[in-house]
Amino acid sequence: GAGVSQTPSNKVTEKGKYVELRCDPISGHTALYWYRQSLGQGPEFLIYFQGTGAADDSGLPNDRFFAVRPEGSVSTLKIQRTERGDSAVYLCASSTGQGFDEQYFGPGTRLTVT
Amino acid sequence: GDSVTQMEGPVTLSEEAFLTINCTYTATGYPSLFWYVQYPGEGLQLLLKATKADDKGSNKGFEATYRKETTSFHLEKGSVQVSDSAVYFCALGASGGSYIPTFGRGTSLIVHP
Repeated sequence: GAGVSQTPSNKVTEKGKYVELRCDPISGHTALYWYRQSLGQGPEFLIYFQGTGAADDSGLPNDRFFAVRPEGSVSTLKIQRTERGDSAVYLCASSTGQGFDEQYFGPGTRLTVT
Repeated sequence: GDSVTQMEGPVTLSEEAFLTINCTYTATGYPSLFWYVQYPGEGLQLLLKATKADDKGSNKGFEATYRKETTSFHLEKGSVQVSDSAVYFCALGASGGSYIPTFGRGTSLIVHP
């Protein structure tokens, strides 16, 4: 079946604008994670969903960042009032269970804030 | 909190050379351990994993053994190929009541013909 997909693959936006990043996990995967990856770094945890609820959002850097997963499948990461420091690759991963299971990653969305 | 330390890259090797990429960790519990690989232009994908002490994970000629006494999970391959050129990430699965995996910063491997 299909893997994890993310759209758009690239997003360029101006400082101060609002952006939405979408993640389509593997069908049937209940766990969904968002990460941020800066150049030369590993994935940095942002938020974890188990089903429809955000089980842990402790990685969100501030209240400009928000994510939803209303039907327990597709998730959207929303960033308000973007700043240049938000520029990074945003990764989504899904798994059948919790964080001790293998994760399946999407290709990422490269966000550039000018 | 949990953390992962990987050797700095890039690691540059000739084809058929022996590869070791070191990974050590600190964890409150006994997490599963993973190696993920990211080929140029692609997403991270699982390379191998080990779920308990002394387990050996293996895939595509790569191996890593879960060493609780040294808190290590070093990645090895006996004979690398140009196609192995990629970034390799060591990761801890969730442990100690947390649901959050922890990733190392990655080690770039460049294999020359």
